[in-house]
Amino acid sequence: GQQVMQIPQYQHVQEGEDFTTYCNSSTTLSNIQWYKQRPGGHPVFLIQLVKSGEVKKQKRLTFQFGEAKKNSSLHITATQTTDVGTYFCAGTGTASKLTFGTGTRLQVTL
Amino acid sequence: DAGVTQSPTHLIKTRGQHVTLRCSPISGHKSVSWYQQVLGQGPQFIFQYYEKEERGRGNFPDRFSARQFPNYSSELNVNALLLGDSALYLCASSSGTGVYGYTFGSGTRLTVV
Repeated sequence: GQQVMQIPQYQHVQEGEDFTTYCNSSTTLSNIQWYKQRPGGHPVFLIQLVKSGEVKKQKRLTFQFGEAKKNSSLHITATQTTDVGTYFCAGTGTASKLTFGTGTRLQVTL
Repeated sequence: DAGVTQSPTHLIKTRGQHVTLRCSPISGHKSVSWYQQVLGQGPQFIFQYYEKEERGRGNFPDRFSARQFPNYSSELNVNALLLGDSALYLCASSSGTGVYGYTFGSGTRLTVV
């Protein structure tokens, strides 16, 4: 079945440093979505990418979808303590179900 | 507008018992999906319903079942509970069947003892 892996599993940065998480799927995706889950909370939708090579920005967050539509990345510039949480990518393949990645937990300290 | 509402928020059950979890989607959303999230892992897809029909099923045993009602609310049922069923059960609603962002509820924390 479809598998979606993310690296790193965990990253600890100081406030102001940049952060990147990478997402790799075992199969080609129709689209990729990104979610953020705060500790004790539920996943919150951030963005969806559909086109090969697509790049989208949301303030300090930059999302990319690979040319082969099998990988994606999320880059945060100048992290803040409010960025703390686990970031999940989630892909839709040939079926309509959304397969979540393994997640990257981000810790930001002052 | 209310978001996705789930009930109950917390539940403790004994092995072998049955549980029913409930979800009300965002008004106007016709798709409801259920996910199981074990601590420290990503959500795992259980079911998706759209317009009261099952549109997808994850790799879960037949002890897991669900349905969607005419008002688009949904129930997830789990029979013969096992200790390993302890998890956060998340409901997500969407206006479509797949290629849209999902809005998640706060979840039901199920503990099986």
